[in-house]
Amino acid sequence: GDSVTQMEGPVTLSEEAFLTINCTYTATGYPSLFWYVQYPGEGLQLLLKATKADDKGSNKGFEATYRKETTSFHLEKGSVQVSDSAVYFCALKHNQGGKLIFGQGTELSVKP
Amino acid sequence: GAGVSQSPSNKVTEKGKDVELRCDPISGHTALYWYRQSLGQGLEFLIYFQGNSAPDKSGLPSDRFSAERTGGSVSTLTIQRTQQEDSAVYLCASSPDSSYNEQFFGPGTRLTVL
Repeated sequence: GDSVTQMEGPVTLSEEAFLTINCTYTATGYPSLFWYVQYPGEGLQLLLKATKADDKGSNKGFEATYRKETTSFHLEKGSVQVSDSAVYFCALKHNQGGKLIFGQGTELSVKP
Repeated sequence: GAGVSQSPSNKVTEKGKDVELRCDPISGHTALYWYRQSLGQGLEFLIYFQGNSAPDKSGLPSDRFSAERTGGSVSTLTIQRTQQEDSAVYLCASSPDSSYNEQFFGPGTRLTVL
C-alpha cells in the first residue's frame, strides 16, 4: 500500500541555520504531496503542497520540490527562526481518493 | 468564517465505556475526515464522508468503531467498549469536496481511557 517515510526527529537547530527534513513516498500513480505543520498547542495546518512532478511548493520561506524520479518531497528552509519550532508532517493524497496518508512527523526545535 | 470544531476537547473515560466524539465541519464542506493521532502510530486515517455516505472506512481499527454523518454536516465518531489502546487525539478535517487538495483540521479531541 501507499506510505510516507520521514526522517526521525527531534531535530534541534540554532536560529538562522539551514533546515532539511527528508520525506520519501511509495505510491501507485501520481499523488499530490503535502507538508502539514502542527505548532505547539495548535491544530494541524497546511504548509505547502505540490500536485505534479517537478512542482515546487513554497510558503513562509519553506520550499519542497516534487521529485518523481526519487519519489521524494524534502522540506527546506534557508534560515529557521524560533517561531518555526513545531512538528512537521509529510503526506500524500490521490486525486480521486479522499484520505491523506501521513509520515510519522518530525519535531523541530529551534534555539535562539 | 468559523473553522472545524470538535467536542469535547478532552474526554476521560473508563475502560469498557462507550464514547461519542463530535465534529462540526466548515459550512458548505461536503467532505469530512476522521484521523487518529497517537504516540505509537502517528497520524492514521480512520474514515471519510462525502455527503452522508462513507466511500472509505478502511482505517477503522475494529468493529467497536463507527461513524455517521447526517444532513451532510455534523459527524459523530462512536467508540464502543473503549480499550486503553484507544487513547489518542481524534482529529476531524473537512474540505469543499473529496477531490479538493487541502483539508482543514479541527483542534482535536483528546481521549484518555483509564
